[in-house]
Amino acid sequence: QKEVEQNSGPLSVPEGAIASLNCTYSDRGSQSFFWYRQYSGKSPELIMFIYSNGDKEDGRFTAQLNKASQYVSLLIRDSQPSDSATYLCAVNVDNYGQNFVFGPGTRLSVLP
Amino acid sequence: GAVVSQHPSRVICKSGTSVKIECRSLDFQATTMFWYRQFPKQSLMLMATSNEGSKATYEQGVEKDKFLINHASLTLSTLTVTSAHPEDSSFYICSARLDSNSPLHFGNGTRLTVT
Repeated sequence: QKEVEQNSGPLSVPEGAIASLNCTYSDRGSQSFFWYRQYSGKSPELIMFIYSNGDKEDGRFTAQLNKASQYVSLLIRDSQPSDSATYLCAVNVDNYGQNFVFGPGTRLSVLP
Repeated sequence: GAVVSQHPSRVICKSGTSVKIECRSLDFQATTMFWYRQFPKQSLMLMATSNEGSKATYEQGVEKDKFLINHASLTLSTLTVTSAHPEDSSFYICSARLDSNSPLHFGNGTRLTVT
């Protein structure tokens, strides 16, 4: 059973703080990793993807991947109330395109 | 690039009727599209994988005769909810990807309400 796990939250941070979202996955053969943001009542939108160990930065967002620990995280710097949403971690377990597994999501609340 | 369009965005129908939802990849060809369902405050649930030119692959517990999927071209997949009932009321979302290592891109979703 291929699993992706996240804390459901809610994770509350004050405006301007760093929000740290974590995700672990069970399949060591996983190839690529994605973070999506989903506002209430809307469909998910892609924030970042990462394929290699280490950090990848895009604006206020940093994705971190540690394949040895089977751990991927998303850091949001200078959090804004508009960042309040559910963040979904997704893992592509193989390269055949059929095995894309989502975590349950972490609800983030940024308090003004 | 990688835009996925879904239509309609919202539909209200009476119990017993059928509803068709369209999913189009606007600027790329998608041999595979995915259909998800999401109930309020719950996770995305994969319903089926739509394969161009062949039968869809349904997840366990999803009735293939109730949720008909047609993927007749490389840019269009349709989901038809047949004989809809109030318990089918949900948020249905399609997605597609450029290739097997690319992110999934989602349509805007269809909110179905069956009265």
